[in-house]
Amino acid sequence: GAVVSQHPSWVICKSGTSVKIECRSLDFQATTMFWYRQFPKQSLMLMATSNEGSKATYEQGVEKDKFLINHASLTLSTLTVTSAHPEDSSFYICSARRGGSFSYEQYFGPGTRLTVT
Amino acid sequence: AQSVTQLGSHVSVSEGALVLLRCNYSSSVPPYLFWYVQYPNQGLQLLLKYTTGATLVKGINGFEAEFKKSETSFHLTKPSAHMSDAAEYFCAVMNDGGNQFYFGTGTSLTVIP
Repeated sequence: GAVVSQHPSWVICKSGTSVKIECRSLDFQATTMFWYRQFPKQSLMLMATSNEGSKATYEQGVEKDKFLINHASLTLSTLTVTSAHPEDSSFYICSARRGGSFSYEQYFGPGTRLTVT
Repeated sequence: AQSVTQLGSHVSVSEGALVLLRCNYSSSVPPYLFWYVQYPNQGLQLLLKYTTGATLVKGINGFEAEFKKSETSFHLTKPSAHMSDAAEYFCAVMNDGGNQFYFGTGTSLTVIP
């Protein structure tokens, strides 16, 4: 149990276009979802935290107008990279946390590789 | 704020040798502690976690870690390295009731045949 999926697993887009990445919790309801960004050979950087039905909370330095996060249901959160540029190329990973006695644990998706040309 | 330090960004061991990956954290209260493994172009897989109780935690693939409060450490070990253990390893910390993971910078493990 506790499987998180991401779609797509990789995407190539042209500079100036927008890209949407989906994160789904397949077998549990996620009260909170997190979005991370990972540069090559580096650790994960938390971008934002989203709770279902609420506005996402962005980390300092993350442009909320560029990285739009929607947590429309307890099983789906989306990250939209608007007007993407080559410097947005990165590996994006989501994680989901369920409530109750398991609230301390996050379950990670497989990641989405974004390349902006 | 929490911080997590992983000493050694690259560790190389021979196949069959002991694996020791170090993790120290800063926290005024005992946190929840995690080790994750990441293979190239993949997400994170949980190896093991410490929440409460026994301080020696056993995880998957023969890994274990010991929570030492006095040393604020949570080092990861495996008695005998396999080639398949070559990957990136991340230590992470979360406070009780917290809403964030704090990740270490990662340690790349190379296993030499």
